[in-house]
Amino acid sequence: RKEVEQDPGPFNVPEGATVAFNCTYSNSASQSFFWYRQDCRKEPKLLMSVYSSGNEDGRFTAQLNRASQYISLLIRDSKLSDSATYLCAVNPTGTASKLTFGTGTRLQVTL
Amino acid sequence: DTAVSQTPKYLVTQMGNDKSIKCEQNLGHDTMYWYKQDSKKFLKIMFSYNNKELIINETVPNRFSPKSPDKAHLNLHINSLELGDSAVYFCASSQRGQGYEQYFGPGTRLTVT
Repeated sequence: RKEVEQDPGPFNVPEGATVAFNCTYSNSASQSFFWYRQDCRKEPKLLMSVYSSGNEDGRFTAQLNRASQYISLLIRDSKLSDSATYLCAVNPTGTASKLTFGTGTRLQVTL
Repeated sequence: DTAVSQTPKYLVTQMGNDKSIKCEQNLGHDTMYWYKQDSKKFLKIMFSYNNKELIINETVPNRFSPKSPDKAHLNLHINSLELGDSAVYFCASSQRGQGYEQYFGPGTRLTVT
């Protein structure tokens, strides 16, 4: 099993739709979790950290399910500008600074 | 602007050559990283330095040698370049104790011909 797994997509959704991505991780000792956004030919940009109690930033909501070992990202009221690849990242040990990334889920928002 | 910067942005070179990529961050972070993103977009860590000390060294050929002259700079030297080294190399930085949030540079697109 891969350390961090994501559905590669693409997810094609109309503007205004709500879309959710999941990301599973294999190491139950994982400590920190993140969602990054990567546009084509650009660097990954930190979208949000994922906290145990779940957290929201505008239209974006992140959740952590430790029992089932996955994190999720919910995007409400999708905009064309949300089209990108969404990478989840997991710190597997909590002792070093290492992040393990998933391969990303591609989102395409259409008119 | 506060940021992580890398030079060069593009690097095209022939097999067998030696090349270097430079990275600088002015975020005041104490930890820096090199990642490789291959053609399938898989982003994988190569090295990490904390305050000039190597703390992560993944299974990377020893043709790759990182150097950190100070905590704001992390360079990557690659000897005897191979076709399989073609990828985008990202530098990143973070501050220990701040949740491991990492901030990435714009990337260096290396093409080996």
